[in-house]
Amino acid sequence: AAGVIQSPRHLIKEKRETATLKCYPIPRHDTVYWYQQGPGQDPQFLISFYEKMQSDKGSIPDRFSAQQFSDYHSELNMSSLELGDSALYFCASSQTSGQAYEQYFGPGTRLTVT
Amino acid sequence: KQEVTQIPAALSVPEGENLVLNCSFTDSAIYNLQWFRQDPGKGLTSLLLIQSSQREQTSGRLNASLDKSSGRSTLYIAASQPGDSATYLCAVIKYMDSNYQLIWGAGTKLIIKP
Repeated sequence: AAGVIQSPRHLIKEKRETATLKCYPIPRHDTVYWYQQGPGQDPQFLISFYEKMQSDKGSIPDRFSAQQFSDYHSELNMSSLELGDSALYFCASSQTSGQAYEQYFGPGTRLTVT
Repeated sequence: KQEVTQIPAALSVPEGENLVLNCSFTDSAIYNLQWFRQDPGKGLTSLLLIQSSQREQTSGRLNASLDKSSGRSTLYIAASQPGDSATYLCAVIKYMDSNYQLIWGAGTKLIIKP
């Protein structure tokens, strides 16, 4: 079965650089979520998109932006990178139907800022 | 197939009471278990993450326990407040098909009456 695809899997950037993370949801999933997980921490919800519109916003820094495209893939753009941005960035997708749903997470992109 | 069940589906209690929300899962081979809070129309807020090797996690008035052998987790909320009113979701995290997959319970809708 197709899973959520994230690219790249690993990314190393220097401070003040820009990074773009990509997420390809499971086919027919209409919602994409971005999470940031620091070492030993819970995933923190950043932002979500439903049917290409931003549906919710969490603790996403102003330096970050995201969008969902017509083919439902999403990109997280991160500018002016800081050392504290080093984390695992998960994308998840879900099909919003029914009360109990499964949110499928991608393998994550490990971003290291040096 | 992993199934996650939350009981009760809804709960209404007066302010100040201590309460317990239950989560059970059918497959003990889990990676983590996570409790989330969801306010209407909002994304998920991670409350507590219990790793499979842990038995308990505490954060403020919240305490979550995990018993893998019996396939159960409980979320204990002490001294409930009206602001605690939300839907509480339990999610079992498995690593499947190259994805971290959250398998969600249907949630417990909690109403705290002032």
